[in-house]
Amino acid sequence: GAVVSQHPSWVICKSGTSVKIECRSLDFQATTMFWYRQFPKQSLMLMATSNEGSKATYEQGVEKDKFLINHASLTLSTLTVTSAHPEDSSFYICSAREQGNQYFGPGTRLTVL
Amino acid sequence: QKEVEQDPGPLSVPEGAIVSLNCTYSNSAFQYFMWYRQYSRKGPELLMYTYSSGNKEDGRFTAQVDKSSKYISLFIRDSQPSDSATYLCAMSPGAGSYQLTFGKGTKLSVIP
Repeated sequence: GAVVSQHPSWVICKSGTSVKIECRSLDFQATTMFWYRQFPKQSLMLMATSNEGSKATYEQGVEKDKFLINHASLTLSTLTVTSAHPEDSSFYICSAREQGNQYFGPGTRLTVL
Repeated sequence: QKEVEQDPGPLSVPEGAIVSLNCTYSNSAFQYFMWYRQYSRKGPELLMYTYSSGNKEDGRFTAQVDKSSKYISLFIRDSQPSDSATYLCAMSPGAGSYQLTFGKGTKLSVIP
């Protein structure tokens, strides 16, 4: 089946620093990837839709200058959390679409101190 | 009213029981309905995928969609301890839109 990987799986950073999270489709090409955020005991909330070769589409309330998304190739999308603050601590999950289904990465747990 | 409602549980059942998980929704545009399983600190894993109303069976899992009632269900037969996880329903309008709207997830524990 389709496999999506994320790196890193867990990151701790100081407040004010930037963190980059990678999402890769390992055995298929994905023109569209999605970035979600999940707080404890909450559902996945879509942050943005990442389209290869074009700008990402952000959901209402998500700051595009704070959450930078780059989808430079058909197998890689990156999410950079800029000037991270403790309230950005969350579980970030990407997904990639393949033949109508979405396959999710294992997630990245971000803790901002 | 939220677009997708799902009882978060937790739900505890003995091994071998039949489990029923449900979601209701308000957006009549939803056409595609999915169930995901998520283990702790992991990404969701697609379990079942259904288009429009009807039933779909895959091994011990059965998904049902009743669009007239805006109600979907996932049944797990002969539940196993390895089924212990959080189950998320998700849906999308399809027709070119692949954005998923998720329920909160129901945490299931199957007790040996």
